[in-house]
Amino acid sequence: GAVVSQHPSWVICKSGTSVKIECRSLDFQATTMFWYRQFPKQSLMLMATSNEGSKATYEQGVEKDKFLINHASLTLSTLTVTSAHPEDSSFYICSAPPGTGSPLHFGNGTRLTVT
Amino acid sequence: AQTVTQSQPEMSVQEAETVTLSCTYDTSESNYYLFWYKQPPSRQMILVIRQEAYKQQNATENRFSVNFQKAAKSFSLKISDSQLGDTAMYFCAFMKPWGTSGSRLTFGEGTQLTVNP
Repeated sequence: GAVVSQHPSWVICKSGTSVKIECRSLDFQATTMFWYRQFPKQSLMLMATSNEGSKATYEQGVEKDKFLINHASLTLSTLTVTSAHPEDSSFYICSAPPGTGSPLHFGNGTRLTVT
Repeated sequence: AQTVTQSQPEMSVQEAETVTLSCTYDTSESNYYLFWYKQPPSRQMILVIRQEAYKQQNATENRFSVNFQKAAKSFSLKISDSQLGDTAMYFCAFMKPWGTSGSRLTFGEGTQLTVNP
């Protein structure tokens, strides 16, 4: 079945540095990738939608200059957390629709810890 | 905009028994999909079951079944013969058909299910 590969699975970084998270669709073309953020014991909140070849669409309240999204190809979308701060520590997860009528497939998520 | 509500933050059940998780949603759409996802401690999102709104028949997947009441906008999940491995956070989710404007997964708040031995 359709697989979304997300890397890294976990990362620890120092405050003020930037971190890049990658999501790749392994056996299908993902023209769209959804990026979610999840705090402990809470639901998944959509941060932004990336589209191959165009600018990402950010949800209200999400800082587009802080969370840079690039959809470089039909199989790769990246999320860069710039100038990370401890409050950015969270679980980030991507998902992509493999096709019409098919459920979204999720990456395994990235646990980000900012010290 | 669509909203999804799960009114049970936590539930517990004894192994081998049956448990039902509740979900209600609000939408003006006539065609859509509903899902139940399972998130174990590994935090991987696992699709449990899905329902297409235009299908009246309730979806079933082995021990998992749903009670879909379109008029009431209710979509509950029944887990039969509960197993220890069913312990997880369960999310109800709504999505307009992929390709329609604004199609994305909207999640409920989640229900933490614990299966006790």
